[in-house]
Amino acid sequence: DAKTTQPPSMDCAEGRAANLPCNHSTISGNEYVYWYRQIHSQGPQYIIHGLKNNETNEMASLIITEDRKSSTLILPHATLRDTAVYYCIVTTPSNTGKLIFGQGTTLQVKP
Amino acid sequence: DTAVSQTPKYLVTQMGNDKSIKCEQNLGHDTMYWYKQDSKKFLKIMFSYNNKELIINETVPNRFSPKSPDKAHLNLHINSLELGDSAVYFCASSQLTSPNEQFFGPGTRLTVL
Repeated sequence: DAKTTQPPSMDCAEGRAANLPCNHSTISGNEYVYWYRQIHSQGPQYIIHGLKNNETNEMASLIITEDRKSSTLILPHATLRDTAVYYCIVTTPSNTGKLIFGQGTTLQVKP
Repeated sequence: DTAVSQTPKYLVTQMGNDKSIKCEQNLGHDTMYWYKQDSKKFLKIMFSYNNKELIINETVPNRFSPKSPDKAHLNLHINSLELGDSAVYFCASSQLTSPNEQFFGPGTRLTVL
C-alpha cells in the first residue's frame, strides 16, 4: 500500500501556481519524497525529490515540512500541458528502487 | 533518441496465446523494471532487474517471466494469456543509486480477447 495520501483531484487556472499537497505521516528517517506525473497515455515522468530540505529544479519546487510528515509540490506557472496525474511517493532511493504508486492527484489546468 | 523504448506499442491477442514485450534503454542504467497499469489506472511494480539479476519479484502469476539478456534489455514474456492480463505495461530504467530517478517507456497496451 502507498504510504502517502493525496487529494484525488484539483483545478488550477493557467498561469497560476499549482500547489499539490501530500501527507506522509509515517515517513522514516531514511526515506525520500519523490514526485512523478503521468500525462494522459504516457509513461510516468520524474519531477523532483527531496529528503528534508526544500528543493527546486526547472520543473517545480518541493516544500517539505520540518517534521517531514507532509510536503507540497509547486508548479509556479501552470500551463495546459501540466494537466496530468501527480504521484507523491515515499521510498529509499538506493534499496531496490521500488516505487509504490498511490491514486495520485489529477490536476486539471484550465484556460 | 528514445531513452527507454518498448515494442510493440499495441498488442491485441486471443486468450491462451503466448506473447512477449521488449524493452531497451540507452541510458547506461544498471536497473530495469516492469510495471502494470490496469483499467482503473493503478500502477504496480511487477519485476526489477539489477545488472541482469532479479531483485524485485512481486506477487505476479508465474505465467509472467521476465528475461534480461543484458543490462540494456528487459523483456517480458507472458504465457497462456488471460482476459485479466489486459493492461498497459510500462518498462522503466534507473541507476540504482541516489537519486534513482526512473525513466519510463511509452507503454505497451495489451488487449486480450
